[in-house]
Amino acid sequence: DGGITQSPKYLFRKEGQNVTLSCEQNLNHDAMYWYRQDPGQGLRLIYYSQIVNDFQKGDIAEGYSVSREKKESFPLTVTSAQKNPTAFYLCASSIVVDRDGYTFGSGTRLTVV
Amino acid sequence: GNSVTQMEGPVTLSEEAFLTINCTYTATGYPSLFWYVQYPGEGLQLLLKATKADDKGSNKGFEATYRKETTSFHLEKGSVQVSDSAVYFCALSDKRSNTGKLIFGQGTTLQVKP
Repeated sequence: DGGITQSPKYLFRKEGQNVTLSCEQNLNHDAMYWYRQDPGQGLRLIYYSQIVNDFQKGDIAEGYSVSREKKESFPLTVTSAQKNPTAFYLCASSIVVDRDGYTFGSGTRLTVV
Repeated sequence: GNSVTQMEGPVTLSEEAFLTINCTYTATGYPSLFWYVQYPGEGLQLLLKATKADDKGSNKGFEATYRKETTSFHLEKGSVQVSDSAVYFCALSDKRSNTGKLIFGQGTTLQVKP
């Protein structure tokens, strides 16, 4: 079955370390997105990519980096410059210019210890 | 710019009660509208959608009608169950922007008690 896979489900990081969250999809979707969700809050867009080797900053890109070397993969690196990285991170994909919305992964919960 | 406003939660109902979660939007052009549901510790799942005015999206007993005149897309269900307890997000996609990006509301938490 086609879908979008995020790994790991839980991740612990020490302060000052970079950490990379994985997102893979086999839906043949062109666009991929990273969102951050804090408790009791909505979704905030970090980065998005519409095609391979291209990506754009979202609303809260500072302290994060991404790459899009393959259509299927859109990893997110949370750098040590991100002041408050503890959050739930959601990856999504879609067909660009689409009426079907997003397909979401199951999320990665990152905790800084 | 485009935006989505949802009613604040939490909404607490008894089982079999009628549910309405309000959603209004501001957008240029003719957006597609969506409702997503998020169960605890999980990602979001598409619940229903509508792509043009007067369309009604429906799924699992939930319904929402795209009302262009009131810029609304309220979510309704006639009889809620405990298993409907979740966070519900309203969202829009501006088809004219050509990016496929969705704009989400803040989410409304629904708690259904037995």
